[in-house]
Amino acid sequence: DGGITQSPKYLFRKEGQNVTLSCEQNLNHDAMYWYRQDPGQGLRLIYYSQIVNDFQKGDIAEGYSVSREKKESFPLTVTSAQKNPTAFYLCASSIQDRVRELFFGEGSRLTVL
Amino acid sequence: AQTVTQSQPEMSVQEAETVTLSCTYDTSENNYYLFWYKQPPSRQMILVIRQEAYKQQNATENRFSVNFQKAAKSFSLKISDSQLGDTAMYFCAFMKRNSGNTPLVFGKGTRLSVIA
Repeated sequence: DGGITQSPKYLFRKEGQNVTLSCEQNLNHDAMYWYRQDPGQGLRLIYYSQIVNDFQKGDIAEGYSVSREKKESFPLTVTSAQKNPTAFYLCASSIQDRVRELFFGEGSRLTVL
Repeated sequence: AQTVTQSQPEMSVQEAETVTLSCTYDTSENNYYLFWYKQPPSRQMILVIRQEAYKQQNATENRFSVNFQKAAKSFSLKISDSQLGDTAMYFCAFMKRNSGNTPLVFGKGTRLSVIA
């Protein structure tokens, strides 16, 4: 079945450590996105990529980095520079056609100890 | 920049009753899409309904319908015959309509509880 797979589902990290969240899609979608979800804050855009080897910062990119070396993969690295990394992270993808919609993965919960 | 405002952090409704969730947005764009997404306790985001701004007719999907008022920049969601499975966070979202893929801008959400 086509879809978006995020891993790991739960992740614990010590302060000062970098961590990478995986996002893979087999929908052949061109664009991929990373959102952060905090209670009472809705979803906020971290980074997005419209094509391979290109990506743009979202509203809260500080302390995060991404790469887009393959169409199906868009990993997110949460660096030690991110001051409040504990959150729920959602990856999404979309295709450029007449009917616009974002498809979401199941999310990754990151907790910093 | 676009902003989306959901003024009701929490709502509740009796099973089988009707409830309306509010959403307003601010944009200078003329062509765009509006969405309502549902996030149940599993946290999987599910598209509920979509509206294209150039269409005057309000979108409907079974028990879900919208009241789209373009001039007022309002996009409310009506859920009829509420069911226990409708209990979830509901997010209103905006997307510019242009030649490429663009991100969604989300509101902060409304937590809906359906009571038996």
